[in-house]
Amino acid sequence: EPEVTQTPSHQVTQMGQEVILRCVPISNHLYFYWYRQILGQKVEFLVSFYNNEISEKSEIFDDQFSVERPDGSNFTLKIRSTKLEDSAMYFCASSFLATTGELFFGEGSRLTVL
Amino acid sequence: QQQVKQSPQSLIVQKGGISIINCAYENTAFDYFPWYQQFPGKGPALLIAIRPDVSEKKEGRFTISFNKSAKQFSLHIMDSQPGDSATYFCAADNAGNMLTFGGGTRLMVKP
Repeated sequence: EPEVTQTPSHQVTQMGQEVILRCVPISNHLYFYWYRQILGQKVEFLVSFYNNEISEKSEIFDDQFSVERPDGSNFTLKIRSTKLEDSAMYFCASSFLATTGELFFGEGSRLTVL
Repeated sequence: QQQVKQSPQSLIVQKGGISIINCAYENTAFDYFPWYQQFPGKGPALLIAIRPDVSEKKEGRFTISFNKSAKQFSLHIMDSQPGDSATYFCAADNAGNMLTFGGGTRLMVKP
């Protein structure tokens, strides 16, 4: 069964450092997303991406965040200068349809900022 | 107005019993209501979903009931099994797959 894969599964970083989280979406999917879940809180939408550009982004997705699809298979989330409050589980997801299609989530990358 | 409120936060059910999880939303523009199941260490996985033009959808032991006028929807798990023990999230969407999630319900089914 096709799946979304994410690396690393866990990353520990110092405040102020740059972090890149990587995702390989399902191969025939066209729409890509990042969501995050702070420990004990709800899953929150960060950004959606289609045709090599951002489709939608939430208030959380400020200038410290960026996404790109560098090579046609990987989809990355970069946090330029991490803050303590960026500590969370980051989920990548992909879908074939743009609207109300089924989202396939990866297992997540846990980011710990010290 | 974008909130989705979910209850209860945790639920313990005996094997064979019915698990019921409730959600309420405010934004009437929402037009798709999925439920996701998440096991520890895994990402959320779509379980079942409903659109507001129907009041109920059933897939196996899982049923969504939807009340558009009350802006509420619920998940019923019939004949609950220990393997159903997981965290369940309701969500709502108004196009674009920008899901607004509820806070989650941790379900434990006792053998």
